[in-house]
Amino acid sequence: GQQVMQIPQYQHVQEGEDFTTYCNSSTTLSNIQWYKQRPGGHPVFLIQLVKSGEVKKQKRLTFQFGEAKKNSSLHITATQTTDVGTYFCAGLTGGGNKLTFGTGTQLKVEL
Amino acid sequence: DTEVTQTPKHLVMGMTNKKSLKCEQHMGHRAMYWYKQKAKKPPELMFVYSYEKLSINESVPSRFSPECPNSSLLNLHLHALQPEDSALYLCASSQLARGDYGYTFGSGTRLTVV
Repeated sequence: GQQVMQIPQYQHVQEGEDFTTYCNSSTTLSNIQWYKQRPGGHPVFLIQLVKSGEVKKQKRLTFQFGEAKKNSSLHITATQTTDVGTYFCAGLTGGGNKLTFGTGTQLKVEL
Repeated sequence: DTEVTQTPKHLVMGMTNKKSLKCEQHMGHRAMYWYKQKAKKPPELMFVYSYEKLSINESVPSRFSPECPNSSLLNLHLHALQPEDSALYLCASSQLARGDYGYTFGSGTRLTVV
């Protein structure tokens, strides 16, 4: 079955440092979605990437979709304590109604 | 209304009990999902309903029985669960059956089986 791996598993940064998480799928994806889950919370949709090589920005967050549509990355510039949480990529495959989550990267931000 | 509402928020049940989890959305979404999430793990897909019909069952044990009474409601009936079934159960919905535009998740039901 499809596997979606993320690295690193954990990242501990000082506030103001940058952060990047990488997502790799064993199969080609129709699109890739990113979610954020705060501690004790539920996943919240951040963005969807559809096109090969697509780059999208949301304020301090930059999302990329690989040329082969098998990998993606999320980069946060100048982290803040509000960025704390687990970031999941999720791939939509097959007929398009099966969303498989990556293993997640837990981000901790220290003052 | 841009929310998915799940009840109850917490549930403790014995292995011989029967209980139900409920999920409701009024966004006009035509696809609804059940996910299971263990601590420090990603959500795992259990069931997909598309236009009120079950379209995907990820080989979930029969002690979990989903039901979609109408386009706004999704239930998960639980019977004879095991302690290893303790987890956060998340309901989600999406605008199209293809899942485009992202999923909206409810806040989940934290289930403990004793």
